[in-house]
Amino acid sequence: SQTIHQWPATLVQPVGSPLSLECTVEGTSNPNLYWYRQAAGRGLQLLFYSVGIGQISSEVPQNLSASRPQDRQFILSSKKLLLSDSGFYLCAWSSPSGGNTIYFGEGSWLTVV
Amino acid sequence: AQSVTQPDIHITVSEGASLELRCNYSYGATPYLFWYVQSPGQGLQLLLKYFSGDTLVQGIKGFEAEFKRSQSSFNLRKPSVHWSDAAEYFCAVEPGGYQKVTFGTGTKLQVIP
Repeated sequence: SQTIHQWPATLVQPVGSPLSLECTVEGTSNPNLYWYRQAAGRGLQLLFYSVGIGQISSEVPQNLSASRPQDRQFILSSKKLLLSDSGFYLCAWSSPSGGNTIYFGEGSWLTVV
Repeated sequence: AQSVTQPDIHITVSEGASLELRCNYSYGATPYLFWYVQSPGQGLQLLLKYFSGDTLVQGIKGFEAEFKRSQSSFNLRKPSVHWSDAAEYFCAVEPGGYQKVTFGTGTKLQVIP
């Protein structure tokens, strides 16, 4: 069966420091990968999605970037964090062969202080 | 542009009572429809999904949802709520063919004894 893991689960970082959140998927090949951010009362905002290695699409302009160095690895990064980057970040995957169902990781709480 | 509306931000029900969470979407064709549940501080778990066929869909944890094309709705129901059902529920829509899912803003369910 397929599993998805993301880490760290919680992170407290000072303003201006870098960020790296990592996500890996097991049990499937060439998944579609996603990074979402969740803010209270605003639902889930899609930040990035990827359909293959090195292929990243950004949904919103922001202080963050994403990379996919390996087929089942998706990384969310920032060079300099802002206070507004605080939030709950969710990695997710879906099958490239159809089904359209998105499966989520456990989430990462980021607090920028 | 496609949109998903969950008109109820917060709902409180008594344990053992029935539950209905509303979801409306705006999209010309029949999209793929999903309901997810999120416990505090955790990722989203898929409850059920509708792609085609029978408009009444059964999911996990005793939940069901009914697709009504005429009303552009996909309401989630449960005949008898348990205290463990307290969580936030998200409706999601995907127009089909391209896996870009739009999420509603969520409904927080509180269950009282």
